[in-house]
Amino acid sequence: DQQVKQNSPSLSVQEGRISILNCDYTNSMFDYFLWYKKYPAEGPTFLISISSIKDKNEDGRFTVFLNKSAKHLSLHIVPSQPGDSAVYFCAASATGGADGLTFGKGTHLIIQP
Amino acid sequence: DVKVTQSSRYLVKRTGEKVFLECVQDMDHENMFWYRQDPGLGLRLIYFSYDVKMKEKGDIPEGYSVSREKKERFSLILESASTNQTSMYLCASSPQGTTDTQYFGPGTRLTVL
Repeated sequence: DQQVKQNSPSLSVQEGRISILNCDYTNSMFDYFLWYKKYPAEGPTFLISISSIKDKNEDGRFTVFLNKSAKHLSLHIVPSQPGDSAVYFCAASATGGADGLTFGKGTHLIIQP
Repeated sequence: DVKVTQSSRYLVKRTGEKVFLECVQDMDHENMFWYRQDPGLGLRLIYFSYDVKMKEKGDIPEGYSVSREKKERFSLILESASTNQTSMYLCASSPQGTTDTQYFGPGTRLTVL
């Protein structure tokens, strides 16, 4: 049973526009959420995180929104740049949980010129 | 600066061979993790360790074992490699506490012929 779901395997966005990547989760014990970015042949790199006590966290062009009642989070990138083309993984964890992060399957973001 | 290194970027082995994948971190992190990444399946946790000589099974431990003799080093062992273990293997580490950000190595692309 998939506890973290990224239902869009890929997303194509024009350069300069907003990219919105979505993530849903089913485990109500999750209280910390992260986004990772991964280029081909490289390890994932941490992008931004949010704790369940917040509903928004912003870092430059990246903003993560959390809707706890809907068990949904989203990553907004604005404006989108060519270097943003990568696979984005959503991850979640529960305080006191036994096994660290649970990852979604990823969304491949393609920024078109 | 956070650094996680993996012994090989690319590895080719034959079916039935014993394979060692090494991971070293220099951040004095307590937690270390091994994942594999496959297209359409995201990152799946194989094994993790919260302390020296300690190991816990992740979601897909079958066919793998691990060793953590020193805090900075976490090894993944394929006792008898099979073609279905062809994958990208990613090592990660994090400081104590399951909600902390995990830092990933560059990955090892293993091909089993």
